[in-house]
Amino acid sequence: DAEITQSPRHKITETGRQVTLACHQTWNHNNMFWYRQDLGHGLRLIHYSYGVQDTNKGEVSDGYSVSRSNTEDLPLTLESAASSQTSVYFCASSPGGQNIQYFGAGTRLSVL
Amino acid sequence: GENVEQHPSTLSVQEGDSAVIKCTYSDSASNYFPWYKQELGKRPQLIIDIRSNVGEKKDQRIAVTLNKTAKHFSLHITETQPEDSAVYFCAATTWVTSGTYKYIFGTGTRLKVLA
Repeated sequence: DAEITQSPRHKITETGRQVTLACHQTWNHNNMFWYRQDLGHGLRLIHYSYGVQDTNKGEVSDGYSVSRSNTEDLPLTLESAASSQTSVYFCASSPGGQNIQYFGAGTRLSVL
Repeated sequence: GENVEQHPSTLSVQEGDSAVIKCTYSDSASNYFPWYKQELGKRPQLIIDIRSNVGEKKDQRIAVTLNKTAKHFSLHITETQPEDSAVYFCAATTWVTSGTYKYIFGTGTRLKVLA
């Protein structure tokens, strides 16, 4: 079955390290999104992409980057991890022309 | 900027009672309003949605109402059951261009159904 998968599911890293979180979807969706979820803040948009080679900043993009080299993948990179980036990260996708989002299972990241 | 306010942040109800969660949005161009349910440690999952040309939508025990004039929409759960316990998120979306849109989430409501 088509799906959206995130890896790893859990990650512990140290401050200053570069970390990449993977998001892969097999629905051939044009639109992909990265959110972080923190208590009291709900889901906040980090970066998003509406197609190959298209990337855009969301409301909390500082310290994060993404690249979209194909339809299936939108990896999220933390250039130099900070303790403030300890969070649960969700990837989501939606078909082009539709605004229903489907979420991955999430990655729990701890920066020590 | 645009935002979505969601209330209450926590809600406890007795099993069998009804629960209502309310959201208010700021962007009058918003035209699609989904509700997501997130169980502990799981991903958000769409449970019901409503588009701006409809005032109410119902699916078994859950319903959503939309008041475009007041810019608010609500989730109603009747005959609550323990498995309804979860965090519920509302969202408001606005088309920016054909094929692209903005998605703004509320901060979530933790619903506890007491047996």
